[in-house]
Amino acid sequence: GDSVTQMEGPVTLSEEAFLTINCTYTATGYPSLFWYVQYPGEGLQLLLKATKADDKGSNKGFEATYRKETTSFHLEKGSVQVSDSAVYFCALSDQGGSEKLVFGKGTKLTVNP
Amino acid sequence: DAGVIQSPRHEVTEMGQEVTLRCKPISGHNSLFWYRQTMMRGLELLIYFNNNVPIDDSGMPEDRFSAKMPNASFSTLKIQPSEPRDSAVYFCASSLITGENSPLHFGNGTRLTVT
Repeated sequence: GDSVTQMEGPVTLSEEAFLTINCTYTATGYPSLFWYVQYPGEGLQLLLKATKADDKGSNKGFEATYRKETTSFHLEKGSVQVSDSAVYFCALSDQGGSEKLVFGKGTKLTVNP
Repeated sequence: DAGVIQSPRHEVTEMGQEVTLRCKPISGHNSLFWYRQTMMRGLELLIYFNNNVPIDDSGMPEDRFSAKMPNASFSTLKIQPSEPRDSAVYFCASSLITGENSPLHFGNGTRLTVT
């Protein structure tokens, strides 16, 4: 079945450091890919998405590029802030939308001042 | 603009008791999802509804779990009888499925502890 594998956390960075969170996937067909973020005590929120190969999703300084050849969707940000501290989830859907989203286990990011 | 509303935020109960979790989706959304989050398994989809009809309940762990959506603005997830291994955070999410990519909107979750 479909699956998503994320780098294990936790990840701890200093403010203004470069962030990469790796995500690879296994799916039949051509899934849509998503990054969701969960702040403490809250539900998940969509951060960015990409629906086809070579698409780049971006939001709030975060970026991820849909790489079909490496089945990857790594999340990057050039300069993290303390307010970026959260848990980040990579997810896929092989049905085009939100139906049956498959999530990775999440990567906890802590950014220190 | 109210988001997805879940109640209660926290529930502590004893093994064997019935537990009912409640969800009010965003008005106008046509799909509703129940997820369970644990450290061991991460986020698991339990069941989802489209236009109030259960579409896929393959993630419901056992017959002890049941979910209903009597109308477009309300859903419940019931566990009867509850067991300690049911302890988790349960999230409800809603979406407007239009055939294009449509994001899930999550509630803040219900943290369930079964002792």
